[in-house]
Amino acid sequence: DAGITQSPRYKITETGRQVTLMCHQTWSHSYMFWYRQDLGHGLRLIYYSAAADITDKGEVPDGYVVSRSKTENFPLTLESATRSQTSVYFCASSESSSGADNSPLHFGNGTRLTVT
Amino acid sequence: GDSVTQMEGPVTLSEEACLTINCTYTATGYPSLFWYVQYPGEGLQLLLKATKADDKGSNKGFEATYRKETTSFHLEKGSVQVSDSAVYFCALLSGGYQKVTFGTGTKLQVIP
Repeated sequence: DAGITQSPRYKITETGRQVTLMCHQTWSHSYMFWYRQDLGHGLRLIYYSAAADITDKGEVPDGYVVSRSKTENFPLTLESATRSQTSVYFCASSESSSGADNSPLHFGNGTRLTVT
Repeated sequence: GDSVTQMEGPVTLSEEACLTINCTYTATGYPSLFWYVQYPGEGLQLLLKATKADDKGSNKGFEATYRKETTSFHLEKGSVQVSDSAVYFCALLSGGYQKVTFGTGTKLQVIP
C-alpha cells in the first residue's frame, strides 16, 4: 500500500547511545520532514529535505543528523541520545513545500522514543 | 515570530453536543490556516484548511472560518460523535511547509 511508514514504533535506549529512526514513503514526494511532539509544545520541526541529497535545519536540530540518499527514505539519527530527546517523532512528506491544495502534509504513525 | 494559540484541553463532551475549539494566531503576511486531527496511536491527518480571509474550510461535519479581523480560526461541529475523540491541532503556514507552526493541540473526548 502507498503511504508513509516509520520504524520502529517504540524504542527504548540509554543515554549516550546512537539510535536511528527510519522513515519510508512510497509516493515519491519531494519534501520530507521530521517533527517531534512534546506535551505543551505541539509539533516542532527538526529537519526537512527538499529532495535527495538536500537537507536543512528546522527549529530544533541540535543533537540530530539526517540524510536523504534516496527520495523515499529519510532516516533521523540521534548521535548520542539524551533524556531531553525522549519524545514522539513524526515523519511527514509532501509533494511540494508550498501548501497548495494538492500537496498537504502526510504523516507517519510516529515513533515513541524513550531515553533512559 | 509566528505563533498559534489554541484552547487547552481536555474537552469532554457528550455525544451530539456542539463543539468549538478556539484558535488564534499571530503571523506576518497572509498565512494559510489548517486544522489537523490525530487519532490515538496515529499520525496527524489534515482535517480542513483555508487559504485566505473569510474562506471557510469544512470536512466531516467540521468547519472553520478564516477571520483576519480577529486573527482566529475556530473549529466547530454541530453534533459530535464518539468517533471524533482525538487531539486537534491548529496550524498556520507562512512561506512553505518548512515554516509551518503548530498549536499545542486540544484533546477532545466524546462520551456516549
